[in-house]
Amino acid sequence: DAKTTQPTSMDCAEGRAANLPCNHSTISGNEYVYWYRQIHSQGPQYIIHGLKNNETNEMASLIITEDRKSSTLILPHATLRDTAVYYCIVRVEISGNTPLVFGKGTRLSVIA
Amino acid sequence: DTAVSQTPKYLVTQMGNDKSIKCEQNLGHDTMYWYKQDSKKFLKIMFSYNNKELIINETVPNRFSPKSPDKAHLNLHINSLELGDSAVYFCASSPGVGLPYEQYFGPGTRLTVT
Repeated sequence: DAKTTQPTSMDCAEGRAANLPCNHSTISGNEYVYWYRQIHSQGPQYIIHGLKNNETNEMASLIITEDRKSSTLILPHATLRDTAVYYCIVRVEISGNTPLVFGKGTRLSVIA
Repeated sequence: DTAVSQTPKYLVTQMGNDKSIKCEQNLGHDTMYWYKQDSKKFLKIMFSYNNKELIINETVPNRFSPKSPDKAHLNLHINSLELGDSAVYFCASSPGVGLPYEQYFGPGTRLTVT
């Protein structure tokens, strides 16, 4: 799987948009970009994923650059409950064997 | 409704003991996983089962033995516990193997070996 690079930590004011960047410059054509988050003392939570196109769901938006070498997760109106570690993961489709490989992630602190 | 549940939530035991952690999912998923999160907060895959068959077995000591009595359950049995086994263990499930299925995680079991 391609390696990802994320900032160690970020702060965001409550109510503002949180933009979390991720670099995956070695991504290949069949690799998806996934985002998960882990709120303190809880299990990881799926947020969103995409391949080439930008994606949006009720939690967030995922913007993938045209060359696919980087992406940004956008939480449009961050709340205190969005404080968590956010993981950007790229996964290659390997038949029968596609575990999630978690890196260090970005610790997002939403500040009142 | 709890999608992926684990019991117990906390487990404190002494070195050398044998213990089990249970996991159940009510999502109707075919694939289940066990992950370990160590003290440095790194999450790593341990095992994966699809339709009750083992499909992923990372480099894990053979003291760890997963058991899947049916598609909804994946239990983790650990023999001869060691101090280094102290960690948080997460169970997860997904609709199938591969992409683009997301995984749903349980709340975790904090294992402390003294």
